[in-house]
Amino acid sequence: DAGVIQSPRHEVTEMGQEVTLRCKPISGHNSLFWYRQTMMRGLELLIYFNNNVPIDDSGMPEDRFSAKMPNASFSTLKIQPSEPRDSAVYFCASNAQGAGGIYEQYFGPGTRLTVT
Amino acid sequence: AQTVTQSQPEMSVQEAETVTLSCTYDTSESDYYLFWYKQPPSRQMILVIRQEAYKQQNATENRFSVNFQKAAKSFSLKISDSQLGDAAMYFCAYRSTYSGTYKYIFGTGTRLKVLA
Repeated sequence: DAGVIQSPRHEVTEMGQEVTLRCKPISGHNSLFWYRQTMMRGLELLIYFNNNVPIDDSGMPEDRFSAKMPNASFSTLKIQPSEPRDSAVYFCASNAQGAGGIYEQYFGPGTRLTVT
Repeated sequence: AQTVTQSQPEMSVQEAETVTLSCTYDTSESDYYLFWYKQPPSRQMILVIRQEAYKQQNATENRFSVNFQKAAKSFSLKISDSQLGDAAMYFCAYRSTYSGTYKYIFGTGTRLKVLA
């Protein structure tokens, strides 16, 4: 299995630009999580999906952030417009929920976002 | 709401020695999962070990073992025969087993330095 795949691995953009981060969960996993990691705030859960449905987006910092999961194998996190304070490492993670599910999360390699 | 506390921001250990990282949590639930994740400089989050609360036996994975004290709500990680490759951030995490609950609660992390 290829594991959780994220792209791009690095993104440098200017303030005001739109940024789209992508994630492909592990095949067969039905839950997907987006996290943000910074030195100041640590690891923050932004949003998570179960069976492609957003369950809790209370961690999304503001309306500039949006996430979608159009199918079981793909999710996006979009920031529009981006700001320097959005600079962070963004992780995607997946796991299998439900009876007999694997409860540990598997993380992607992360996307390092720098907004100048 | 559940919380996870890692009170040691940083720890050091001599190569080949043993070190214990602390984690405490707060919950009113009786069944849950606990995890330790490792994040080396590569940023990849790697699952180290997991413990089901209903199991009294402490989990072990090679040089890694836990001391799970359910009544005290304590979940410490012991690393034996420390190696240079163990240097990383270590995160403790909690997950409820209640149906419909998908969130993982992460601690703030402990940075482990391994001294040659």
